Amino acid sequence: NAGVTQTPKFQVLKTGQSMTLQCAQDMNHNSMYWYRQDPGMGLRLIYYSASEGTTDKGEVPNGYNVSRLNKREFSLRLESAAPSQTSVYFCASRLQENYGYTFGSGTRLTVV
Amino acid sequence: KNEVEQSPQNLTAQEGEFITINCSYSVGISALHWLQQHPGGGIVSLFMLSSGKKKHGRLIATINIQEKHSSLHITASHPRDSAVYICAVPPMGGSNYKLTFGKGTLLTVNP
Repeated sequence: NAGVTQTPKFQVLKTGQSMTLQCAQDMNHNSMYWYRQDPGMGLRLIYYSASEGTTDKGEVPNGYNVSRLNKREFSLRLESAAPSQTSVYFCASRLQENYGYTFGSGTRLTVV
Repeated sequence: KNEVEQSPQNLTAQEGEFITINCSYSVGISALHWLQQHPGGGIVSLFMLSSGKKKHGRLIATINIQEKHSSLHITASHPRDSAVYICAVPPMGGSNYKLTFGKGTLLTVNP
């Protein structure tokens, strides 16, 4: 039982490059989330998917797009990376509202 | 948006001490989450509670809905408890999907 798997773990991009962060869960959870974590700040929600086929903006969605490919997978895409997107990104999932979260191990992204 | 304040920001303790970490929030909520982030970065969900108290091993979480305050206690602390502890709350009347996270309390337990 792998839980939530994120890839890659580390990535360095040049300004303007694009990339997709992958996230998959094997727990049959309904909702999935993408967060970013920056020094001195709490986790901030980028996008979430309450259920398969739906996605919604979180607190900081600008510069990102998401796809809920199926119930298992929720990807985050940076179309044109900017240095302000340097951060640690976490994917999470949970069975439904009012349940606890399961987090992936994170992706450390540096945009130069 | 629900404002979340955690205290203290940093806490250093000796092994065996009783630890208390506090979380206050600005508007009424349906449930509050406590999370633990290990030094390596991994995040684990510890508790979700909407009233009273929950206990798991040496960890105890309490919440006072009227006072908009929650505490996380660690009994008989151990160096492996060293981590950042984070509380998170949903917005008042808003979606439980959109949590607001505190900045965390860095706990260091020395042997």
